[in-house]
Amino acid sequence: ETGVTQTPRHLVMGMTNKKSLKCEQHLGHNAMYWYKQSAKKPLELMFVYSLEERVENNSVPSRFSPECPNSSHLFLHLHTLQPEDSALYLCASSPASGGRSEQFFGPGTRLTVL
Amino acid sequence: KNQVEQSPQSLIILEGKNCTLQCNYTVSPFSNLRWYKQDTGRGPVSLTIMTFSENTKSNGRYTATLDADTKQSSLHITASQLSDSASYICVVSEGHSGTYKYIFGTGTRLKVLA
Repeated sequence: ETGVTQTPRHLVMGMTNKKSLKCEQHLGHNAMYWYKQSAKKPLELMFVYSLEERVENNSVPSRFSPECPNSSHLFLHLHTLQPEDSALYLCASSPASGGRSEQFFGPGTRLTVL
Repeated sequence: KNQVEQSPQSLIILEGKNCTLQCNYTVSPFSNLRWYKQDTGRGPVSLTIMTFSENTKSNGRYTATLDADTKQSSLHITASQLSDSASYICVVSEGHSGTYKYIFGTGTRLKVLA
């Protein structure tokens, strides 16, 4: 295990539902990330938090809302999603923000939007 | 435009055989390059990290090479095992301090057959 856990592992939701994804890291890292992984596409960076402050938002639709209450926990709140939002959502952490730190990934949440 | 291209897209080999995966990048300025292994339904796990001055690095049966002049990297797997079946992702980091630019390739899906 990488020290990064995600729940739930699988989620099926309708377009009108509201749900949340949870990520927790046990590594003492200062930066946390949300990625979207779709088939045959590179990982897409969604949000970056450094010391609980959002430092990057990559033009993500407002139906995705991140929350970082402390440096160990990261949430992704979902509402009124579209079928094209179905993907694997990966959380990662790194000792510091910036491209020079190694990222440690969680197992992901497989999301299906009906 | 910063890009990372991997080839082949997919590869099937017999157990015990060797194989080489390729990664070409146009990321500039270059900071480092990582190879990740991603098992089905799991998050990526780091195999190697290489900086500008490193030409080769090994991790067990995995050997990564880097040619910073031609902007190419390869991952060589020796004596493949069934457990090597996974996607292998090349990730290049931009060299600007304070940025969060990890450029991901689309990965090579490797299948090892008995």
